[in-house]
Amino acid sequence: QVQLQESGPGLVKPSETLSLICSVSSGPISYYYWSWIRQPPGKGLEWIGYLHYTGQTSYNPSLKSRVTISVDTSKTQFSLRMSSVTAADTAVYYCARAPHWYDSGDYLWGQGTLVTVSS
Amino acid sequence: DIQMTQSPSSLSASVGDRITITCRASRGISNYLNWHQQRSGEAPKVLIYAAFRLESGVPSRFSGSGSGTDFTLTISSLQPEDFATYFCQQSYSTPWTFGQGTKVEI
Repeated sequence: QVQLQESGPGLVKPSETLSLICSVSSGPISYYYWSWIRQPPGKGLEWIGYLHYTGQTSYNPSLKSRVTISVDTSKTQFSLRMSSVTAADTAVYYCARAPHWYDSGDYLWGQGTLVTVSS
Repeated sequence: DIQMTQSPSSLSASVGDRITITCRASRGISNYLNWHQQRSGEAPKVLIYAAFRLESGVPSRFSGSGSGTDFTLTISSLQPEDFATYFCQQSYSTPWTFGQGTKVEI
């Protein structure tokens, strides 16, 4: 069964860079949109951006200046980097997969990882 | 950005009830609409994609309908494991956006 697993520091200091990795158990990234989504404690879901398997990226304009999503050379992991974090970036961060063809199914979420921004 | 508005924000129901949640997009999104379920303390999971297609393994008591700007999620007979928060989400245009969620409580 395919799984997505987020990993990275659970605590980041204000003004520093948050870095997370999503490991894909099924092997090389293919035929999907690979997204990062976050959820502040007790609040709703916010799409951060995606990396398409072709290499195309798209970011939420509200975060675009601070965010980079990339794939590693093995193409079995993709990462999120968010610079200049503040307390407002404290959230559970999820990686997720959406199919290239939106009506073909096979969506998947990771289990999420809590990142707290605090000194 | 396309705004997604769900109603109600919360509802109380009993096991066996039929419930409907609505989601309205601020402009037309064809059928690029997904429904996610999030149980307390868990990650979301996709129940329905492309407005009405059931994701693999999702019980048939869940159904979705709609196109354009107005969509619904229906649970035909609530089960104990269905008490959760439900989110709609559009993937018609970036930034992908979510509704604020509907909490289904006992």
